[in-house]
Amino acid sequence: SQKIEQNSEALNIQEGKTATLTCNYTNYSPAYLQWYRQDPGRGPVFLLLIRENEKEKRKERLKVTFDTTLKQSLFHITASQPADSATYLCALVWTTDSWGKLQFGAGTQVVVTP
Amino acid sequence: SAVISQKPSRDICQRGTSLTIQCQVDSQVTMMFWYRQQPGQSLTLIATANQGSEATYESGFVIDKFPISRPNLTFSTLTVSNMSPEDSSIYLCSVEVRGHMNTEAFFGQGTRLTVV
Repeated sequence: SQKIEQNSEALNIQEGKTATLTCNYTNYSPAYLQWYRQDPGRGPVFLLLIRENEKEKRKERLKVTFDTTLKQSLFHITASQPADSATYLCALVWTTDSWGKLQFGAGTQVVVTP
Repeated sequence: SAVISQKPSRDICQRGTSLTIQCQVDSQVTMMFWYRQQPGQSLTLIATANQGSEATYESGFVIDKFPISRPNLTFSTLTVSNMSPEDSSIYLCSVEVRGHMNTEAFFGQGTRLTVV
């Protein structure tokens, strides 16, 4: 079965620095990969999507890369702020036949200190 | 976009009882998805609910334990039956919205279930 791994340890980072999160997967590459933010007591909120034929996507201070050779996606938060503190989840859709069926990683908690 | 209202937001239930969770979407959608998030764990897909047909369950989940209704294109319920403490989790419903550039999932705020 397909497995998704994210850093289990919380990432503590100083305000203004760049946070980099990793999402690794096994076996074949997904059709697309998404990143979500989850705050305590809330459902996940969509941030970015990247397709298997794309290398990089950006949205404001967020950047995601996708390396199908390494079977890895990196998620960057530049100029981090305390408000960025949350758990970040990567989610994969393995085939275009499985729209909406997301397989999530366990998430990485980010703590941004002033 | 989509706005999802889920209720109850939390509940404490006795083992052996059942709880029905409701999910209301502000627009018509073909498929709705139910996830479970156990403490400290990732979200796991339970089933896909299509209007007018039986729900499709993922491996490890069965209809007798998690019956789902989908009476129309904006509403679904998930029942957690004959509950045990192992069912203590957050249950979330989700819909997918496809745009020109993006496909994203929208989630309800979740139902935090504690079984005692």
